[in-house]
Amino acid sequence: ELKVEQNPLFLSMQEGKNYTIYCNYSTTSDRLYWYRQDPGKSLESLFVLLSNGAVKQEGRLMASLDTKARLSTLHITAAVHDLSATYFCAVDRTSGSRLTFGEGTQLTVNP
Amino acid sequence: DAGVIQSPRHEVTEMGQEVTLRCKPISGHNSLFWYRQTMMRGLELLIYFNNNVPIDDSGMPEDRFSAKMPNASFSTLKIQPSEPRDSAVYFCASSARRLYGYTFGSGTRLTVV
Repeated sequence: ELKVEQNPLFLSMQEGKNYTIYCNYSTTSDRLYWYRQDPGKSLESLFVLLSNGAVKQEGRLMASLDTKARLSTLHITAAVHDLSATYFCAVDRTSGSRLTFGEGTQLTVNP
Repeated sequence: DAGVIQSPRHEVTEMGQEVTLRCKPISGHNSLFWYRQTMMRGLELLIYFNNNVPIDDSGMPEDRFSAKMPNASFSTLKIQPSEPRDSAVYFCASSARRLYGYTFGSGTRLTVV
């Protein structure tokens, strides 16, 4: 059974600081997805990482994938309050198959 | 594109009643997924379809839950009879094999009292 684990599960940080969220998964996969969820809202796709060494950046967020270590990171640079949300990583084995989610990391950015 | 469309957005029902949730996937997407989200269990896959055929329903909690996809543009998730522990947000998502990524609908917040 594919397991996906995130840490930390809760993260409170100050504006302007940097931090990294980690996502480990238990089986071979070349694809990893990052989603953002605001309270009471749906899941918004942030990044799709399709190969070992893939790195994608959007604004203050940068995601990377190491398939050998079965590890993805989501790095937050100079956090701002608008980044407060829950961030999920997810893994599938093949396109259009079961997508297994991590527990989510609840990020709060304080002024 | 209007995205994945779910209805209703909110549903409050009494225990024992039948509940039907609806989903319209993105046109051209050939895979459809039903997820349930709760505080205790996070996001769980209930069932998914490829080309309207159920592929994996191992996440369906019990016989009270059933899902259908009669055509490429419509799917239902039915709970009969509903119980308070079914209260959750139910998300529908769709994807296309030739693309990567899964698009989620706005969800249905179900409350069973």
